[in-house]
Amino acid sequence: EDQVTQSPEALRLQEGESSSLNCSYTVSGLRGLFWYRQDPGKGPEFLFTLYSAGEEKEKERLKATLTKKESFLHITAPKPEDSATYLCAVQSQGGATNKLIFGTGTLLAVQP
Amino acid sequence: EPEVTQTPSHQVTQMGQEVILRCVPISNHLYFYWYRQILGQKVEFLVSFYNNEISEKSEIFDDQFSVERPDGSNFTLKIRSTKLEDSAMYFCASSGTTTNEKLFFGSGTQLSVL
Repeated sequence: EDQVTQSPEALRLQEGESSSLNCSYTVSGLRGLFWYRQDPGKGPEFLFTLYSAGEEKEKERLKATLTKKESFLHITAPKPEDSATYLCAVQSQGGATNKLIFGTGTLLAVQP
Repeated sequence: EPEVTQTPSHQVTQMGQEVILRCVPISNHLYFYWYRQILGQKVEFLVSFYNNEISEKSEIFDDQFSVERPDGSNFTLKIRSTKLEDSAMYFCASSGTTTNEKLFFGSGTQLSVL
């Protein structure tokens, strides 16, 4: 069964304090690994897709990396507006559609 | 940027009543999805829909649930007889036709069953 585990569950940072979020996955053939951001009461908002081990993607203060077993979301010099829940999700090659299986997320709070 | 639109944003219903949640996916997308998120829990897959039929469904999507694309723009989720445990945020999503494509999510409908 495809599974996604994220850690830590919650993370509190001071503005400017860099850190990383972890996403471990088991999947029957990875089609893609996705990072989304979710603000309270809103739907997930797409950040990145990674397809193969060694791949990296960057957007502003965020950088996502992928290995065969896990992905990291690195946050460099975060700002309060980066506060949100960050969700990791996988697409399996065994799926008939682009269905995503999500982890429970990491709730990030960045204090000024 | 194109977006997925969901209505209503909040729905309160009595246990045993039928509810219909509505979604307008992105216009050129062909795959449609419903997910739900119970407060404090993960976003869970319910069903995917393509070419006017269900492509995949989860164990959650039992006989009480149904989906329909009644016209060229709307996509609906019906819960026939709501239960207390159906209370959750329901998200509609859509994606294009190629593999590996990202899903675009709506802002959700918060369903409260009393």
